[in-house]
Amino acid sequence: GDSVTQMEGPVTLSEEAFLTINCTYTATGYPSLFWYVQYPGEGLQLLLKATKADDKGSNKGFEATYRKETTSFHLEKGSVQVSDSAVYFCALRDTGFQKLVFGTGTRLLVSP
Amino acid sequence: DSGVTQTPKHLITATGQRVTLRCSPRSGDLSVYWYQQSLDQGLQFLIQYYNGEERAKGNILERFSAQQFPDLHSELNLSSLELGDSALYFCASSVGGSLTDTQYFGPGTRLTVL
Repeated sequence: GDSVTQMEGPVTLSEEAFLTINCTYTATGYPSLFWYVQYPGEGLQLLLKATKADDKGSNKGFEATYRKETTSFHLEKGSVQVSDSAVYFCALRDTGFQKLVFGTGTRLLVSP
Repeated sequence: DSGVTQTPKHLITATGQRVTLRCSPRSGDLSVYWYQQSLDQGLQFLIQYYNGEERAKGNILERFSAQQFPDLHSELNLSSLELGDSALYFCASSVGGSLTDTQYFGPGTRLTVL
């Protein structure tokens, strides 16, 4: 079945450091890909999405490019802030299915 | 604020009991989804409704059931509760059922079964 694999956390960075969170997927069709963020005590918020190969999703300084050849959707940010500390979930939505399939989440801790 | 509301925010109950979680989707959204977030299983899809009809089913136990009402709000019923049902239950909504529709999540209901 469809699955999403994310790098284990926590990822610990200093403010203004470069962030990469790896995400790879397995799907039978041509999925849409998403990054969601969960701040402490809150629900999930959509961070960015890409619906086809080579699309780049971007929001709030975060970017991810849909790479079909490597089945990846890595999340990047050039300069993280303390306020970016949260859990980040990579997810896919496959053709023919409505549900989101989530990775296990990666906790990001940014220190001043 | 996503526009999706869930009540109650917290629920503490005992094994064997039955509870109902409620979700109101964003205005205009026809699809409602339920997800369970637990420490051991992660985030898992339970069930989807579209305009009152069940559209897709995931890893939902037989002890669990859901429905979507004519005003489009949805309820998730959990019965014969077990300790392992303790989790955060999220509702999400989207405009329709398209694969590119964004799902907007509510703040969740934290269920604790003692």
